[in-house]
Amino acid sequence: GNSVTQMEGPVTLSEEAFLTINCTYTATGYPSLFWYVQYPGEGLQLLLKATKADDKGSNKGFEATYRKETTSFHLEKGSVQVSDSAVYFCALKGGSGGSNYKLTFGKGTLLTVNP
Amino acid sequence: DAGITQSPRHKVTETGTPVTLRCHQTENHRYMYWYRQDPGHGLRLIHYSYGVKDTDKGEVSDGYSVSRSKTEDFLLTLESATSSQTSVYFCAGRWDSSYEQYFGPGTRLTVT
Repeated sequence: GNSVTQMEGPVTLSEEAFLTINCTYTATGYPSLFWYVQYPGEGLQLLLKATKADDKGSNKGFEATYRKETTSFHLEKGSVQVSDSAVYFCALKGGSGGSNYKLTFGKGTLLTVNP
Repeated sequence: DAGITQSPRHKVTETGTPVTLRCHQTENHRYMYWYRQDPGHGLRLIHYSYGVKDTDKGEVSDGYSVSRSKTEDFLLTLESATSSQTSVYFCAGRWDSSYEQYFGPGTRLTVT
């Protein structure tokens, strides 16, 4: 079946530091990959996505590249801000077989950025 | 107006009582989902709907039922609430044309 593994955290950084949150996956076929962000007390928001190998998703200074050879979709940002403090979820939609209806989520990584 | 709303946003109820959570969307999402979020477990799918009156079970469906009588509304019912159902519940929707899901703001349910 499909699965997503992301670094557990929590991750604590100083403002303007470089961020990497690792995400690796197991899936059949060619999955679509997503990063979601959840700010305190809110629902999940789609941050970025990639639908095929070597695609780079980007939004709000965050980037992630779909690497089929390493089954990875690591989230990066060059200079984090206090306002980036949130929980980040990696997710996939399986590429073949199974259900087209569902996303498989990682367990989330809590990021805290200190001023 | 927000695309997906949930009501109530907070609820405290007693063990053994029935509870219904409502998800309302104005985005014409065909697919809708109910998740629960708990520390250490991430998001777990309870039930989902792939059209009006078409629903199916997710990975943690025991003790929950759902109904969808029109496109806009997806109801989650706990027939007899238990303390293990204390959680934050999220509704999400998806269009036919893409796979990403859009989430509501959540309902925090406490069963005492």
